Amino acid sequence: NAGVTQTPKFQVLKTGQSMTLQCAQDMNHNSMYWYRQDPGMGLRLIYYSASEGTTDKGEVPNGYNVSRLNKREFSLRLESAAPSQTSVYFCASSEYPPRRGDSPLHFGNGTRLTVT
Amino acid sequence: GQQVMQIPQYQHVQEGEDFTTYCNSSTTLSNIQWYKQRPGGHPVFLIQLVKSGEVKKQKRLTFQFGEAKKNSSLHITATQTTDVGTYFCAGLGDYGQNFVFGPGTRLSVLP
Repeated sequence: NAGVTQTPKFQVLKTGQSMTLQCAQDMNHNSMYWYRQDPGMGLRLIYYSASEGTTDKGEVPNGYNVSRLNKREFSLRLESAAPSQTSVYFCASSEYPPRRGDSPLHFGNGTRLTVT
Repeated sequence: GQQVMQIPQYQHVQEGEDFTTYCNSSTTLSNIQWYKQRPGGHPVFLIQLVKSGEVKKQKRLTFQFGEAKKNSSLHITATQTTDVGTYFCAGLGDYGQNFVFGPGTRLSVLP
């Protein structure tokens, strides 16, 4: 059981380049999330998918797009990277959306992205 | 929107000392979760609190949810070097759809 798998682990981009961060979970979870973590700011929600076929904006969606490819996979795309997007990105999943009740978040190992 | 704060931002303790981190929300919460992130690692779920005044214990860790459901605390008794990491609270507002994370408290334990 791998849990939540993210690729790549590290990435360096130049301003204006694009890339897609991949995330897959093998726990048959319904909900998936993308967070970014910056020093002193905790984890901020970029986008989430409450269930297969739906996606919604979180706290900081500007500059990002997502695709819920199927129940297992949820990708995050940076169309034109900016230095402000330098961060550590975490994908997470939960069995149900938060309002359904006792459903902890399971996080992947993260992607460390640097935009120069 | 909902804001979640944590204090202190950093805490350095000698091994064996106690540690407490406090979490405060700008709005009332349906529930609150706590996570631990080891240096270089990813957040790992510790516990969820739902009821007003609820207290839960996990070995040396004691979690409390405030009576007004706007604050919470995590207390570690007799810290060990394995407790090193950043502790995050995450609150689900009464009308929110997702958890809002606090900025975390980074704990260092000196042997």
